[in-house]
Amino acid sequence: DVKVTQSSRYLVKRTGEKVFLECVQDMDHENMFWYRQDPGLGLRLIYFSYDVKMKEKGDIPEGYSVSREKKERFSLILESASTNQTSMYLCASSLPRTAEKLFFGSGTQLSVL
Amino acid sequence: GESVGLHLPTLSVQEGDNSIINCAYSNSASDYFIWYKQESGKGPQFIIDIRSNMDKRQGQRVTVLLNKTVKHLSLQIAATQPGDSAVYFCAENTKTSYDKVIFGPGTSLSVIP
Repeated sequence: DVKVTQSSRYLVKRTGEKVFLECVQDMDHENMFWYRQDPGLGLRLIYFSYDVKMKEKGDIPEGYSVSREKKERFSLILESASTNQTSMYLCASSLPRTAEKLFFGSGTQLSVL
Repeated sequence: GESVGLHLPTLSVQEGDNSIINCAYSNSASDYFIWYKQESGKGPQFIIDIRSNMDKRQGQRVTVLLNKTVKHLSLQIAATQPGDSAVYFCAENTKTSYDKVIFGPGTSLSVIP
């Protein structure tokens, strides 16, 4: 069965901390994505990757960076966490040229105090 | 501009009735539309999709209708069940960038037993 695993369900961090959100997929998918989800705003794309060591900015990349050293793992990094980055973060993966059909993890609820 | 929005943020339906969830999109260049279902504590899951060369597609108890003239998309759920309670997102694939999917804000469906 298809599986996207996010390392933490809940995280609480302090302003200014460096935060790592990890995502692993076991489907051998080339495409991986990071979204944040906020009430009334739907899902907004932060970064995506179509291959190992490749990354592209999404719609709201400011304050974030990503790392994709292995095909199955895509990490989201908050260089210096701020309170406006409190949100639900969702990782997703898909096959090439089928980015529409995304497989999502269960999400990480991040609170920045 | 590029945006996908929903007409109603919440919807309550009696168990056994049919549900209709609406979505408006603004990018006439979008050629692929998807509905996702997000249950509490989980990531969104793919329900059904439709390409712009179609106006209707049916799945198991779900039907998606596409009206390109007025840029409107709807999801119909037949004989709504308590397990259908969730947030439903419409999403569009826009060709302004490679494999970019834009999500709407979501509609929360509550099924009344």
